[in-house]
Amino acid sequence: KQEVTQIPAALSVPEGENLVLNCSFTDSAIYNLQWFRQDPGKGLTSLLLIQSSQREQTSGRLNASLDKSSGRSTLYIAASQPGDSATYLCVTDSWGKLQFGAGTQVVVTP
Amino acid sequence: EAGVAQSPRYKIIEKRQSVAFWCNPISGHATLYWYQQILGQGPKLLIQFQNNGVVDDSQLPKDRFSAERLKGVDSTLKIQPAKLEDSAVYLCASSPPWQPNYGYTFGSGTRLTVV
Repeated sequence: KQEVTQIPAALSVPEGENLVLNCSFTDSAIYNLQWFRQDPGKGLTSLLLIQSSQREQTSGRLNASLDKSSGRSTLYIAASQPGDSATYLCVTDSWGKLQFGAGTQVVVTP
Repeated sequence: EAGVAQSPRYKIIEKRQSVAFWCNPISGHATLYWYQQILGQGPKLLIQFQNNGVVDDSQLPKDRFSAERLKGVDSTLKIQPAKLEDSAVYLCASSPPWQPNYGYTFGSGTRLTVV
């Protein structure tokens, strides 16, 4: 059974610092890995999707890497802003079966 | 394209009452999921539909929860009777079948409070 772990559980940084969020998974047989952002009490907003054949994806200040062999993905957010404060969720997709991490709660202080 | 629509956004009910949530997925998305997210935890799958057929409902508490997806488009999730521990955000998600570069789209969720 796939298990997804996100470390750290919470992170607080001053504005301008780079953020590094880690995700590890136990079963490397995945189809995709997707990173989401969730604001308090709200739904999930997709940030980046990495297909199993890819090593990384980039969108603006966001970069996500995937190392299937070691069961790891990392989300980098450059030059953090207070608007980046949210919970970030890592989700593995094994052909339609999704497994969520518990999330990393990020606070960016002005 | 329009996103996944959910309603209501918020609901407060007393325990033992019933409640229903509605989800309209993105047009053409064959797969629809309902998730329950308790505060501080990741979402937990309740039920997965492929068109109007159930793919996985192994974690749905069938004594009180029911879901349907008539005509393979929108879906309703019902709780009857509600318990205090059902307080959570209920998320609906949809995806097209087997498009590796698409992923999943989630609605804004329904926050349920049972008092």
